[in-house]
Amino acid sequence: AQKVTQAQTEISVVEKEDVTLDCVYETRDTTYYLFWYKQPPSGELVFLIRRNSFDEQNEISGRYSWNFQKSTSSFNFTITASQVVDSAVYFCALSEYNQGGKLIFGQGTELSVKP
Amino acid sequence: KAGVTQTPRYLIKTRGQQVTLSCSPISGHRSVSWYQQTPGQGLQFLFEYFSETQRNKGNFPGRFSGRQFSNSRSEMNVSTLELGDSALYLCASSRSNAGTGSSDEQFFGPGTRLTVL
Repeated sequence: AQKVTQAQTEISVVEKEDVTLDCVYETRDTTYYLFWYKQPPSGELVFLIRRNSFDEQNEISGRYSWNFQKSTSSFNFTITASQVVDSAVYFCALSEYNQGGKLIFGQGTELSVKP
Repeated sequence: KAGVTQTPRYLIKTRGQQVTLSCSPISGHRSVSWYQQTPGQGLQFLFEYFSETQRNKGNFPGRFSGRQFSNSRSEMNVSTLELGDSALYLCASSRSNAGTGSSDEQFFGPGTRLTVL
């Protein structure tokens, strides 16, 4: 069965701190896709990154970076030098091969960045 | 390019009534997925439509249904509303292609907040 676990329910940091959001997934498929989404207070989910199971290369985009490790079934997200605008709920999600538009979401991590 | 739009944004209904929510995907996107978001259950997949056909379905009762039109716009319907149906209903669209098996990124609309009294 497919499952995504985000063990951290809430994280609070002070501006300019680095913060890592954890994501652990379960799937029996060898081909799958992992995603991160951000949901600011406005409510609209914003796409951040998509990764397929054959690409374990870490990715960096500005202050954001992602660490994908198949050996531990983890896809962690780090924000460097956090800013107040990063405050939001962050969701990790999984989609299996041939499941098209079916995303399995984790419970989300609420990040609060204080000035 | 315009994003995903959903109407209405807010809706208040009473138990037993039915409701129809609408979603217009990004131009050129053929796949539309629907999700329910509640504080207790989080984000849960309802169903996905591609080329007017339901391609995937989540674990929701038959009271929840949907359809897709030839222009890719989609509607979802909930009949015989229950208090527990109060939620934010999110629609997402993606390019997707039939038969490739891959999952493209989904782009979400602002949601319809449904309150059942």
